[in-house]
Amino acid sequence: KAGVTQTPRYLIKTRGQQVTLSCSPISGHRSVSWYQQTPGQGLQFLFEYFSETQRNKGNFPGRFSGRQFSNSRSEMNVSTLELGDSALYLCASSPSDLSGGIQYFGAGTRLSVL
Amino acid sequence: DQQVKQNSPSLSVQEGRISILNCDYTNSMFDYFLWYKKYPAEGPTFLISISSIKDKNEDGRFTVFLNKSAKHLSLHIVPSQPGDSAVYFCAASGHYTGANSKLTFGKGITLSVRP
Repeated sequence: KAGVTQTPRYLIKTRGQQVTLSCSPISGHRSVSWYQQTPGQGLQFLFEYFSETQRNKGNFPGRFSGRQFSNSRSEMNVSTLELGDSALYLCASSPSDLSGGIQYFGAGTRLSVL
Repeated sequence: DQQVKQNSPSLSVQEGRISILNCDYTNSMFDYFLWYKKYPAEGPTFLISISSIKDKNEDGRFTVFLNKSAKHLSLHIVPSQPGDSAVYFCAASGHYTGANSKLTFGKGITLSVRP
């Protein structure tokens, strides 16, 4: 079974631009969560989608948004990029609400904002 | 407000000895506690977890202990191997609908196992 796939692996953008990151969860997994990892803040929860609906949201500004498609694939968008948005963005999927918090992570997308 | 804390940024142990990684939390509503391992350029990999109704869970060389009264958990690795060298994250999830898909992470601890 293929793991969680994130594309692209690396991105370089400039301030003010917008970016879209993609995540394909493990087949059969309906929940997709997104996290931001930075050296200073560690791993922080962005949001979670389940059956095309945003079910949980972390404490990030509205510039960060996402969506989920009927095939459970998910995209994350960041508009009006700031230097502080430079981070590793991780996507994780889980099979159900009975998984006890166990999530399976992709390798991440490294975003650099210049 | 950091709800999950890993106060030691690094730990170095000799191969074959025990590694003990500690984690503290403040939110008594957490339902599950998990440990993830991360190598550079890879995503975190699930290692072991424990439900809040238990005080110990064991899987091979890895054992997690939970002390609810102290809001403290620890991961024991015995014996430690050089391949265990990685960053270890402690994480917690709640009990409401969808809460299992929202993990609160500590900042991680870098474990180095010396041959």
